[in-house]
Formats: sequence, structure tokens, C-alpha cells
Amino acid sequence: EADIYQTPRYLVIGTGKKITLECSQTMGHDKMYWYQQDPGMELHLIHYSYGVNSTEKGDLSSESTVSRIRTEHFPLTLESARPSHTSQYLCASSEREGTNEKLFFGSGTQLSVL
Amino acid sequence: RKEVEQDPGPFNVPEGATVAFNCTYSNSASQSFFWYRQDCRKEPKLLMSVYSSGNEDGRFTAQLNRASQYISLLIRDSKLSDSATYLCVPLRRDFGNEKLTFGTGTRLTIIP
Repeated sequence: EADIYQTPRYLVIGTGKKITLECSQTMGHDKMYWYQQDPGMELHLIHYSYGVNSTEKGDLSSESTVSRIRTEHFPLTLESARPSHTSQYLCASSEREGTNEKLFFGSGTQLSVL
Repeated sequence: RKEVEQDPGPFNVPEGATVAFNCTYSNSASQSFFWYRQDCRKEPKLLMSVYSSGNEDGRFTAQLNRASQYISLLIRDSKLSDSATYLCVPLRRDFGNEKLTFGTGTRLTIIP
């Protein structure tokens, strides 16, 4: 089993609140990712990091921000939540096995903004 | 054109049957390929990597056709536990950055 954890599992919050979704991994992986997924839709990469102090925007534009101060920790922040941010947010880290890049996912945070 | 295209299904298949589905990718720079499975409301999990020569893992066989830019997954003797969404994932490298791109997935339901 992968050692990557996300909290909270579910979050229901009002419009305008600042929220931080936590993601931690104990595998020592340098590469970490945040994906956003709506029901029945594909995963969209919104942020990634290749190591401490490295963060990049993903393929899907997002109003969220991320930070990577420690290898094991990759939190995602929304300064002012809106109903359009309602979605599932999946954190992942990866490791190289030969030519393969193997992703390990956390259980996700289901965010509902009212 | 989407970078990864899959038939969303659903594929409803009787238990014990063989089922196959394909995925096409548009970026010829994709270098590695994977199949992930995602159960309802769960996170994706790696099912298998796809090698150029094709590879088998138990009841699962994956094939890659670079010329036509598609990969396939074959499941033999399907079990009820195989019901899930199967995601095709190519890996490409852009200017030193590696990105995994997920398709919408193919939903498979095995019927008793």
C-alpha cells in the first residue's frame, strides 16, 4: 500500500472561505502532483512539483496555489472558495522504476463549496 | 483532438468472458504507457505498464502499437472484481518535465 495521505477526506464549506487541502507522503518521493476530477470525468493535472521549492502549473488552469517547503508535504490552498471549485482533488507522488513512472494516489478530498 | 481518447463505455460483460478495449494517443512523443484502474469514488491505482513488445500479467494483456498510436488492454476470464473504470495513461517528456495524461477511462461492468 502507498504511504500517501490526504486530509480532510470530505470538506463542505461556505463561499469565500480560505481552505487548505493537506497531502503528505512518507516514501521520500521528489515528484508530487495535484489532480482535479469531476464525477465521470478525466483527471486533470492542476499542479506539480519536482522537489522542494519547485512548483509548476498543470494542464488545467486553477485558482488554487501550492507550496513545497518539505519533501513530504504538498498542500493546496484556495484563498476564497467558490461553488465552481466543488470537485474531487487527488494528490499523488511518483517514483521511477526503470523507464516507468509509477504514480501513487492519496484517497482524495471531496470538496463541496456552498 | 484530445491527447488521450478512450471509448467511455459502459461495457457490460458477463462473468468469464474476454473483453478488450483500446486507447489512442495523439502525442507521438509519448514514451511510456500505463493502464490504471479506478473504482467508483476511489483513487486510481496502477494496473500495469505497457511495453513495446506487449506484456502479460495473469489474466491481463497489454499491447502497444506505436505506428498507429494506440494501446490495448485484454482481460480474460473476467471476474466480478474487474468492474471498474480503466484509464489509459501515456507519459511524455516536455523540456525535461514528465507528464502523465489521463484519458476519461472506459467503464467496465462484469455481470454475474
